[in-house]
Amino acid sequence: EDKVVQSPLSLVVHEGDTVTLNCSYEVTNFRSLLWYKQEKKAPTFLFMLTSSGIEKKSGRLSSILDKKELFSILNITATQTGDSAVYLCAVQETSGSRLTFGEGTQLTVNP
Amino acid sequence: DVKVTQSSRYLVKRTGEKVFLECVQDMDHENMFWYRQDPGLGLRLIYFSYDVKMKEKGDIPEGYSVSREKKERFSLILESASTNQTSMYLCASSFWRGGLSQYFGAGTRLSVL
Repeated sequence: EDKVVQSPLSLVVHEGDTVTLNCSYEVTNFRSLLWYKQEKKAPTFLFMLTSSGIEKKSGRLSSILDKKELFSILNITATQTGDSAVYLCAVQETSGSRLTFGEGTQLTVNP
Repeated sequence: DVKVTQSSRYLVKRTGEKVFLECVQDMDHENMFWYRQDPGLGLRLIYFSYDVKMKEKGDIPEGYSVSREKKERFSLILESASTNQTSMYLCASSFWRGGLSQYFGAGTRLSVL
């Protein structure tokens, strides 16, 4: 059974701080790892990672995958209050399209 | 932009009622998914569908059924709602080819009293 574990489960920081969110996984036939951001509505897609060591970047957010150690990190630099959300990590197997999600990390950025 | 629309944002039902949650997507996606989201448990897959009239059980199908009569619409049915089905329900869709992102609806917060 696929398993995804995120840490920390919750995090409170001040604006301007840099945060690192962690996601470790166990999956039989790994295809990809995805990060989503969820505010008080639909999760929105951030990144999809398939190859080790290649950083994906979008503005102040970046993510990288380590397929040997089976984990990914999501970094957010110079955090803003608008970054407050639940960040979800999910993995996908090669056998299909379904995703297995972690519990999520609740990030709160205070002014 | 992909649009996944769930028919209700909030729903309150009584124990034993039959409940229908509707989801419609406008991107001609083959795959559609129903999840429930609970604190501390993340998103858990209830059912999914690869095509019209096809369905597959996810990780927690007990107490639920689904219907996919048209490609764009995927319905989740609670035959006899129970209080432990109080949750946030999220619908998602994607193209059939694996390795692609799923797109989510805004969610339906269901309370069963």
